Amino acid sequence: QYVLTQPPAVSAAPGQRVTISCSGSSSNIGNNYVAWYQQLPGTAPKLLMFENSKRPSGIPDRFSGSRSGTSATLAITGLQTGDEADYHCGTWDTDLNGWVFGGGTKLTVL
Amino acid sequence: QVHLQQWGAGLLKPSETLSLTCSLSGGSFGGYYWSWIRQSPGEGLEWIGEINDNGITNYSPSLNSRVSMSLDTSKNHFSLRLTSVTAADTAVYYCARTVGAFNVWGQGTLVTVSS
Repeated sequence: QYVLTQPPAVSAAPGQRVTISCSGSSSNIGNNYVAWYQQLPGTAPKLLMFENSKRPSGIPDRFSGSRSGTSATLAITGLQTGDEADYHCGTWDTDLNGWVFGGGTKLTVL
Repeated sequence: QVHLQQWGAGLLKPSETLSLTCSLSGGSFGGYYWSWIRQSPGEGLEWIGEINDNGITNYSPSLNSRVSMSLDTSKNHFSLRLTSVTAADTAVYYCARTVGAFNVWGQGTLVTVSS
């Protein structure tokens, strides 16, 4: 259903580190920048990371992004309860000539 | 600070046409694409399409036959039309500014399709 593949859910304790993966193909992640979005409950998504690993102004350095081959990863360190949200990865797909997303990952901070 | 404020009908019957508008403030249309994205209840994000200030559009292949977008620089807004809606089009619809990623979002509009 979604061009990009994310785990449905991840969880970790406060203060810990968590990673969220996003898998695609050569037509999307393999040759285009990846962005990550944070969606707090009941709100619109917010840009968290762009061009694989760049943070918009105001995003703390506890959030980091990386890309390797046809996969991307979002890492969050020093987890806080306020980080509980859905996280979506997205990129351009050259074959589809359009923007594509993963299904989203729900982060629970135990 | 760039802000997007959107509005439109929230309840439609099957076969009707969805119409939403997104108003831009604190910035200009030039140099960007402007997108519509939707999220069905409990689901992920789905890109619908985009338009720039020259009127160039790019639509999702899965919705291409039913979608049209327009942009009016004099009124500082851009719009989405989706024809022949069904229950599968029930979703929260977002407008967003596109510059390599979606870096500014509207607040979202819940559109429910029900007879």
